[in-house]
Amino acid sequence: GQQLNQSPQSMFIQEGEDVSMNCTSSSIFNTWLWYKQDPGEGPVLLIALYKAGELTSNGRLTAQFGITRKDSFLNISASIPSDVGIYFCAAFNFGNEKLTFGTGTRLTIIP
Amino acid sequence: DVKVTQSSRYLVKRTGEKVFLECVQDMDHENMFWYRQDPGLGLRLIYFSYDVKMKEKGDIPEGYSVSREKKERFSLILESASTNQTSMYLCASSSILGQKELFFGEGSRLTVL
Repeated sequence: GQQLNQSPQSMFIQEGEDVSMNCTSSSIFNTWLWYKQDPGEGPVLLIALYKAGELTSNGRLTAQFGITRKDSFLNISASIPSDVGIYFCAAFNFGNEKLTFGTGTRLTIIP
Repeated sequence: DVKVTQSSRYLVKRTGEKVFLECVQDMDHENMFWYRQDPGLGLRLIYFSYDVKMKEKGDIPEGYSVSREKKERFSLILESASTNQTSMYLCASSSILGQKELFFGEGSRLTVL
C-alpha cells in the first residue's frame, strides 16, 4: 500500500530550538493529520487540516496543508522536554475510511 | 474520557503459538483498525472493520486474521506466530461521522521467540 514520505527520520535538538518536519506524497489527499506518540503510548492527534493552503496552530505547534494537496508541514516552536516522541503525519480522502501514515520523525532533546 | 483498551501491553510467545490480541473501545465507534508499528516503517494497516462481523484486509494482512463479533470489540489473531511478527501492535477506532480522528490504544508489544 502507499505510504507518505516523512522527513527527517530523526532529529536531535536542544531545548528551546524550533523544529520543522514535513510529509510528501505522490497522491493528492483532501485531509492531512499530525499525530504524536509518547514513549510507550499510542499516537494522539495534534492537528487536523481540511483545506489546501490551510495553516492551523495548536499552542506552539503550527501545521500547513500544502497547496498541491500532496504535502504537509509541522513546526514546533521553542521546544521543551515533553515534546520528545515520534511525530506521524497521516492523510486520507473523504469516502475512504483508511488513513495512510508517514514513517515518523523521532524527536530527541539533548540536555 | 474516551478510551481504546488493549488487553495486553507486553506478550512473549513461542514460534507456532496462536496469539490473540484484544481491543475494546467505549466510544460506540463503527470503525476499528489494527496496525503494526516497526522502526523506520511507520504504522502499517493489517485489517480493519466498518461494522460487526465485517472485515477488510489492509496493506499487510498475511499471517493475521481478525474477529468482530461485537461493535466494541476487535480481535487480532496470529494463527501460528513467527519471529517476523515481533512488533508493536496498535488498535484504533473512529466514527463514520465527524472528522475521522483515529483514537489509539496504548499498544501491545509482542515478542515471538
